[in-house]
Amino acid sequence: KAGVTQTPRYLIKTRGQQVTLSCSPISGHRSVSWYQQTPGQGLQFLFEYFSETQRNKGNFPGRFSGRQFSNSRSEMNVSTLELGDSALYLCASSSRGGERNIQYFGAGTRLSVL
Amino acid sequence: AQKITQTQPGMFVQEKEAVTLDCTYDTSDQSYGLFWYKQPSSGEMIFLIYQGSYDEQNATEGRYSLNFQKARKSANLVISASQLGDSAMYFCAMREPSDLTGGGNKLTFGTGTQLKVEL
Repeated sequence: KAGVTQTPRYLIKTRGQQVTLSCSPISGHRSVSWYQQTPGQGLQFLFEYFSETQRNKGNFPGRFSGRQFSNSRSEMNVSTLELGDSALYLCASSSRGGERNIQYFGAGTRLSVL
Repeated sequence: AQKITQTQPGMFVQEKEAVTLDCTYDTSDQSYGLFWYKQPSSGEMIFLIYQGSYDEQNATEGRYSLNFQKARKSANLVISASQLGDSAMYFCAMREPSDLTGGGNKLTFGTGTQLKVEL
């Protein structure tokens, strides 16, 4: 069974640009969550999608947005990039919510903003 | 709000020895889940072990076991017979209870412990 696939793996952008990251969950998984990892702030939750609806959102500005498609694939978009957006963006998928549900992560997209 | 504390920024262990990575948590929820993930330098977060708040026994997965002390709010990871490939960053995380909207997969992470296994 294929794992969580994130594309691209590496990305270099300049300030002011926008970027779209993609996440394909494990087959059969309907929940996708996104996290930002930086040396200063650690791992922070961005948002969660389940059945094409955003279920939960972290404390990030509106420049960060996401969506989920009917096949459960998800994209996140960052508009008007800032230097501080340089980070490893991790996507996780799970079958559903619930007590014993496990989230499985992809390898991440490493974004550098110059 | 939930909080996870990992007080060991870095740990060294000899190959084949056991090591304990500390994790304490703070929550007012009665139902919660605790996770440990491993992150090698490649960046991928690898799931290791899960402990539910109502589980009566400590979780075990191969060489990984979780020393769960609910009253002390601690969930320490024990790695037995350390291998060179265990060198990585280790994160403790907690999940909030599921909410009524069908979500409930938000994880709160600790700051991590960098483990180095030496010959």
